[in-house]
Formats: sequence, C-alpha cells, structure tokens
Amino acid sequence: QAQLVQSGAEVKKPGDSVKVSCKASGYTFTSNGISWVRQAPGQGLEWMGWISAYNGNTIYAQRLQGRVTMTTDTSTSTAYMELRSLRSDDTAVYFCARGGSGSAAYMDVWGKGTTVTVSS
Amino acid sequence: SYELSQPPSVSVSPGQTASITCSGDELGDKYVSWYQHKPGQSPVVVIYQNTKRPSGIPERLSGSNSGNTATLTVSGTQALDEAEYYCQAWDSGSAFFGGGTKLTVL
Repeated sequence: QAQLVQSGAEVKKPGDSVKVSCKASGYTFTSNGISWVRQAPGQGLEWMGWISAYNGNTIYAQRLQGRVTMTTDTSTSTAYMELRSLRSDDTAVYFCARGGSGSAAYMDVWGKGTTVTVSS
Repeated sequence: SYELSQPPSVSVSPGQTASITCSGDELGDKYVSWYQHKPGQSPVVVIYQNTKRPSGIPERLSGSNSGNTATLTVSGTQALDEAEYYCQAWDSGSAFFGGGTKLTVL
C-alpha cells in the first residue's frame, strides 16, 4: 500500500539549513502532490506548503515564504523540504503527506515524521 | 490568513456522543477535513470533503458543515477515540488547520 518514508532526526544550530526527505512507494508518485506539515512541541499542526509531484509547482505558506523550498526527484519518487535560516522556534516534528491542493484536497497518507531540533 | 477555531478540549463518557466544532468565516462554503492525531503517531484523516469517511474509518465518526461551523461527531465513543482532532480547510490556495481539540474519554 502507499507509504511515505522520511529521513532521520536532525540537530541544527540557529542560522543553519535543514533538508528533509520523503520517499514515496506503493503508488504512482507523479499522480499526487505532497504537503509538508509541522508540529512544534506542545503546539498544533501547521501547514508549510505543497508541491506537485507531476510538474513541480509549489505553494508555500505565507509566513515561511523566502525560507522554505520544496522539490521533488521523480526518478527516486522522493520529495524534499529545505528550511533555511533556522531559529529555535523551527524546532518541530516535520511530516510529509500525500494529497492535492485546492478546496477539495485532503492528506490521506502521512510519513512518520522527522524531528528537527534547533539549538545552540 | 484564514482562522479556524476549535475548542481546546472536549470530554465524553464511554458510549456517549462527542461533538467537536470548527468555526471559520463562511466555512460552509468550503470543504473541511478532520484529522485524528495520537501522541507519537502520524495524523490520520477520518473525514474528508465534509462528510466522507476513508476506508477503515468506523461509521460512528461523522462530519457535517454548514454556515460558519463544521462538526465532527463521534458516536458511541470508545477509549481508542481519545486523541487530538484537527479540522482543516483550504482558503485562497493555502491550507489551514484549526488549533486542535483534545478529546478525552473519561
């Protein structure tokens, strides 16, 4: 069945960048998009953005514009999320989730999450 | 930015019905999804497009959406339903989550 396998935990310093991967299997990668969602400790879910695995089109959350880049590699069915200029409040569990964009879209398959810790 | 408001917590006795609300401006004109999130696990979609249940989600979970409020109803609540529940909708091309509601089964 469809699954998303994410890369391992990361520890970064303020100002660093982090790149998290999300490898898809069990479905046609290019038939869907990937959203990235994060959860800071004790906080709720925050949508970060979406990328089409078909053509690479992206939508980023306004508050992360300029710091986040989402890409895909269709040859390996892998999506990537890079976050730059890390701050302590970027400490969170980062999830990738399969889904479309737009009003009727929903996220039906989720990765297990990648913990990113930002600390000096 | 689009705001979705949820009560922080809802408590229910086993076997009873719990209702979790999600409020937003003209929310009834949008599709709402609901996600169940248990500690240490990945979120799971339990309702999408307001009322639809993915395969494997029990019928006792149901959704509605009208006016400015969407509601997730859990009938015959069981201990395994205890979780954080998030509503989600799209507005102006971006996705937004509610703040989450902790469902406690007493």
